Amino acid sequence: SAVISQKPSRDICQRGTSLTIQCQVDSQVTMMFWYRQQPGQSLTLIATANQGSEATYESGFVIDKFPISRPNLTFSTLTVSNMSPEDSSIYLCSFREVQGRNEQFFGPGTRLTVL
Amino acid sequence: AQSVTQLDSHVSVSEGTPVLLRCNYSSSYSPSLFWYVQHPNKGLQLLLKYTSAATLVKGINGFEAEFKKSETSFHLTKPSAHMSDAAEYFCVVSEATDSWGKLQFGAGTQVVVTP
Repeated sequence: SAVISQKPSRDICQRGTSLTIQCQVDSQVTMMFWYRQQPGQSLTLIATANQGSEATYESGFVIDKFPISRPNLTFSTLTVSNMSPEDSSIYLCSFREVQGRNEQFFGPGTRLTVL
Repeated sequence: AQSVTQLDSHVSVSEGTPVLLRCNYSSSYSPSLFWYVQHPNKGLQLLLKYTSAATLVKGINGFEAEFKKSETSFHLTKPSAHMSDAAEYFCVVSEATDSWGKLQFGAGTQVVVTP
């Protein structure tokens, strides 16, 4: 199965700034997903990123706040814009392996703290 | 629409005793069901999955789950808990018609294992 990595693994940011999280997969995948896990909570899907098209956002998430890029089949970025303490969460990227075992794999996550 | 309910937010077991984590789902179509585990400060790991094959699914680390359509349940069990089983467990549903592989996570069950 493919290996998925994220950078940075964690960061502490000031209110009002933006952070871009990178997600790299070591093989080509069609669909990538971005999730948020707020402290003590479950995972919530932010958006689905398809290469070559605009990301599709879930209810409650907007492009201005969480712009996503998907320049090729192995890479995606999520930006958390104009951050506030409420954005403190773990952000995870994932992809679905449609062939083979039909599983969804998750990156290790980016732990973001906003002061 | 799909949803999943984990009936226990916390489960405490003694080492060597059975573990039962309860999950009920709601799905308009034939669902795929998964259990993921998240150890502290680590990424999500797939324990097992049900995708319309055998209703009793065996996973890693001695875990298994039984899909019961009549009860809309997918409970996770392990006959003998180990200290390393202490973690957060998520029951997850994905509808078969959802080719994008969007996952709906339950709220999670925190498992504590006492010596």
